[in-house]
This record gives sequence, structure tokens and C-alpha cells, in this order.
Amino acid sequence: GENVEQHPSTLSVQEGDSAVIKCTYSDSASNYFPWYKQELGKRPQLIIDIRSNVGEKKDQRIAVTLNKTAKHFSLHITETQPEDSAVYFCAASQGVDEKLTFGTGTRLTIIP
Amino acid sequence: DTGVSQNPRHKITKRGQNVTFRCDPISEHNRLYWYRQTLGQGPEFLTYFQNEAQLEKSRLLSDRFSAERPKGSFSTLEIQRTEQGDSAMYLCASSGQGYYEQYFGPGTRLTVT
Repeated sequence: GENVEQHPSTLSVQEGDSAVIKCTYSDSASNYFPWYKQELGKRPQLIIDIRSNVGEKKDQRIAVTLNKTAKHFSLHITETQPEDSAVYFCAASQGVDEKLTFGTGTRLTIIP
Repeated sequence: DTGVSQNPRHKITKRGQNVTFRCDPISEHNRLYWYRQTLGQGPEFLTYFQNEAQLEKSRLLSDRFSAERPKGSFSTLEIQRTEQGDSAMYLCASSGQGYYEQYFGPGTRLTVT
């Protein structure tokens, strides 16, 4: 089955700086890669996703890149703000109708 | 509120008791997923419904666990003879026909004492 590894497990960044979280996956059949943000005690919230036919996707301060050859994808957050502090999870699936396999999460702390 | 809802939000039970959780997906979402999340980990897949049909079950879903979605709308997850190892957050997610995105509910936090 699919295995998703995520690092780092914790990340502290000065407010205004950039944060990068990286994930690798094992199953070459995976073709959908979402990122979720989970604040303490709240539901995982989909913040951005990418499909295998795209190498990069941006949404304001957030971007995701995908390297299918190397089987890794990354989340980039620029101009970080205190409200970006949360746990971020990457995930992978083999497409529509398929389950998500999650990474172990990255706790991001933005230092004011 | 048009998001995924789950009830109850918290459940404390004694070992050996049965518990049942409910998930109401986003209206018209035909796919519904159950995941389990333990402290410090990402959600782990348990089972998946397309309309009323249960199409996949994880090996994590022992025979003490059963899930239903009788009319293709809400779903229930029942755990029989609960064990302390069942303590976790149980998350439900739904997705629309032909869409990749899964939207999560707030979860039910189960504590088995």
C-alpha cells in the first residue's frame, strides 16, 4: 500500500519568513496530493491540492510543487503570519473515489 | 451550516461498552469516508461508502467495528466491546461525484476508560 513520509515534524519560523514542508510517497500510481491544515481541536481543512498532471500550483501565499519522478511534493508558505501556526498534513491518493493516505504531520509555529 | 457534521463531538465510555457515532455529509455528496486519528498522527483510513454501498474497509477495521449508510445520506460507525486502544478522534469526510476533494467533519473524540 501507499506510504507517505513527511518532514520536518516541527518547524519554527519567524513571522514574515517562508516555511517549506516536504513529503515523499511510495506508490507511483498516486496522482492526487492534497494538503490539510489542522488547528488545535478543529477539523482538517483542505488548503491546497495538486494533481499529477501539474508541477506547481499557487494560491496567494501558498504553493505546492510536485516531482513525480522523485515521488515528492512540497508545501511552501510565504510571508508567514501568526494565523499560519497549525499542524499541516500532506496526503496522497490514487484519484477520485480513492482513500487518502496521510503523512504524520508538521507542527508549524510562527514566531512573532 | 452546509459542512460535514458529526455527533456526538465527545464520547467517554467504559471499556466493554458499545458506542455509535453519526456523520452527516455535505448535501449531495455521494462518497463518505471514515478515518481515525490518534494524537500526533495523521488520519488513517477506516472505510468508504459510495451512496449506500460500502466499497472498501481497512484492515484496521476489526470485526468489532461496523459502519452503515442505509439510505446513502448519513452514516453511522459502531464500535462494540470498546477497548482502551480505541481511544482516538473519529473523522468523517465526504466528497462529491467526480471530485477529488474530501471535506472533513469536526470529528468525534472517543475516550475509553
